[in-house]
Amino acid sequence: EVQLVQSGAEVKKPGESLKISCKGSGYSFTSYWIGWVRQMPGKGLEWMGIIYPGDSDTRYSPSFQGQVTISADKSISTAYLQWSSLKASDTAMYYCVRVPQTISSFDYWGQGTLVTVSS
Amino acid sequence: DIQMTQSPSSLSASVGDRVTITCQASQDISNYLNWYQQKPGKAPKLLIYDASNLETGVPSRFSGSGSGTDFTFTISSLQPEDIATYYCQQYDNLLTFGPGTKVDIK
Repeated sequence: EVQLVQSGAEVKKPGESLKISCKGSGYSFTSYWIGWVRQMPGKGLEWMGIIYPGDSDTRYSPSFQGQVTISADKSISTAYLQWSSLKASDTAMYYCVRVPQTISSFDYWGQGTLVTVSS
Repeated sequence: DIQMTQSPSSLSASVGDRVTITCQASQDISNYLNWYQQKPGKAPKLLIYDASNLETGVPSRFSGSGSGTDFTFTISSLQPEDIATYYCQQYDNLLTFGPGTKVDIK
């Protein structure tokens, strides 16, 4: 069974750094892209970026380029989403997603990690 | 960038009704279009890929059609468990979601 299990909810202050994680299991971690989708409170879905753990090829949405860093450690089948300096506007639910090699759909989703940034 | 629009933004229908949602792309995306269902408080779920193909395990009352710039998502007989927000998503150029359509029971 394919599973994406994300790290727990976080409460941070503006300016702090953060790294959240997503562990994949039940499939070949290095044969699919893995990515992140943001959902701000009461809003829609926004694709942030994807990484191919097999060779670390990373693609970002223009809206998120330079704002976050996506990485992966294939030895432990885990992907990461990282901020160096959080803003209140980063408050959102972040979903980890599996993406086929064709970069077409988000076929499996993690349970979501709620990030709250507040002073 | 390819922009996606959906209509309506929300709708209320009775159990058993036929529900139709439209999705329009700002340029020709062939059939590179997927549909997702997000129930309240849950992660989204892929329902239809490549505009008209039902994901494994998805009930047959859900269907999709269209190509080019205009796409349609249909629930043939609305059930109480279909209360959700539905999103289209294109993958012709990068990956973009539509703004969503919230479906309620009347």
